[in-house]
Amino acid sequence: SSELTQDPAVSVALGQTVSITCQGDSLRSYYASWYQQKPGQAPVLVIYAKNSRPSGIPDRFSGSSSGNTASLTITGAQAEDEADYYCNSRDSSGFHLVFGGGTKLTVL
Amino acid sequence: QVQLQESGPGLVKPSQTLSLTCTVSGGSISSSGYYWNWIRQPAGKGLEWIGRIYTSGNTNYNPSLKSRVTISVDTSKNKFSLRLSSVTAADTAVYYCARGSSGVVVTWYYYCMDLWGKGTTVTVSS
Repeated sequence: SSELTQDPAVSVALGQTVSITCQGDSLRSYYASWYQQKPGQAPVLVIYAKNSRPSGIPDRFSGSSSGNTASLTITGAQAEDEADYYCNSRDSSGFHLVFGGGTKLTVL
Repeated sequence: QVQLQESGPGLVKPSQTLSLTCTVSGGSISSSGYYWNWIRQPAGKGLEWIGRIYTSGNTNYNPSLKSRVTISVDTSKNKFSLRLSSVTAADTAVYYCARGSSGVVVTWYYYCMDLWGKGTTVTVSS
């Protein structure tokens, strides 16, 4: 089992806003990073350091954090945002990294 | 631009050792501020971090795999490698290499993997 917990699946209507959450004790001290993975492709970093976006990532992607929960928000979801999303951070016990179980986002 | 490419056998027999290499092109593996990761993903399942190496040679491994994993780096060849011993069918997965970085924002640390290879499929079967 993962030290970071995500909902397995979330859906959103086209053009609406959706948040994907990641819970874990380590998130009280370390920021989560977020990755988008489409079928057959490698993951792509979309958010790091709470709310920073790598070059090329649309500004409809944003991140936030509160307590033991990190959130990835997509404002105005597009059809191309349908993908699996993973959070990632350091674990609570040492120098190891860990991924959440992933959330499958469906855009209706 | 910097690119990562995994390479190695696509088929490994049970009980043998899986060996993969990640070649870094378009930049130096010794660039400061980075560490180098291996991640895997069984078909239809989530991502699992295997471990990382700094160019100093320092390593960290997933506790669940630590007894079987060795990650090494060859800065002269701009490559880093993964060895996973005593493999079973449960080690069948797509294996990715990725560049990692970390930093501090206000008082909190962040860790991220900003560049990934395309992945290579390894099947463990006799």
